[in-house]
Amino acid sequence: DAGVTQSPTHLIKTRGQQVTLRCSPKSGHDTVSWYQQALGQGPQFIFQYYEEEERQRGNFPDRFSGHQYPNYSSELNVNALLLGDSALYLCASSPAVTSGGAKKLDTQYFGPGTRLTVL
Amino acid sequence: DAKTTQPPSMDCAEGRAANLPCNHSTISGNEYVYWYRQIHSQGPQYIIHGLKNNETNEMASLIITEDRKSSTLILPHATLRDTAVYYCIVRGHSGGSNYKLTFGKGTLLTVNP
Repeated sequence: DAGVTQSPTHLIKTRGQQVTLRCSPKSGHDTVSWYQQALGQGPQFIFQYYEEEERQRGNFPDRFSGHQYPNYSSELNVNALLLGDSALYLCASSPAVTSGGAKKLDTQYFGPGTRLTVL
Repeated sequence: DAKTTQPPSMDCAEGRAANLPCNHSTISGNEYVYWYRQIHSQGPQYIIHGLKNNETNEMASLIITEDRKSSTLILPHATLRDTAVYYCIVRGHSGGSNYKLTFGKGTLLTVNP
């Protein structure tokens, strides 16, 4: 059973460029959340996607946007990159809260992350 | 979500039990306690969660006090591979309006040979 996968593993960009990061959720999961983790800090919530829509957003500017596809995979896009965007970007997937009428706890499972360096 | 307080670092001898404390004095009745850990530069790994009863799985045990204001994660026989940052997170049951995990700085557990 494949876990959460992310690509690429590492990425180097320059200021002002745009970047797209990708995430495939764990089998059976339909919800994807994205987090940013700066060096020495805990992960910070960016947003969550469910049913191809952004369901909740953290305190991040509009330069950060996302997308979820019908197969539940997701992308994180960051425009006009700043030096401060250098971080580990983490994707987490979780099951739907309700499935077949039964409620499940939506425990989030994380991927290995993408290390973004902005020069 | 309720705020959590954890010691910044702890040491443990290999083979001994590691007991990691967490205070969450403002926890409300429907909020769960979650524990994750993060080995250097990897994604956080889910360990265990609980509401009010003690929980045990193949990785760890979670002891929640009766008033639910604090909890302890127990790794019964720590190994060098358990060296990581451990995060205690309090979160409401999804289905409300808050779906995120709020991470603090966690506890760096160092297991020594």
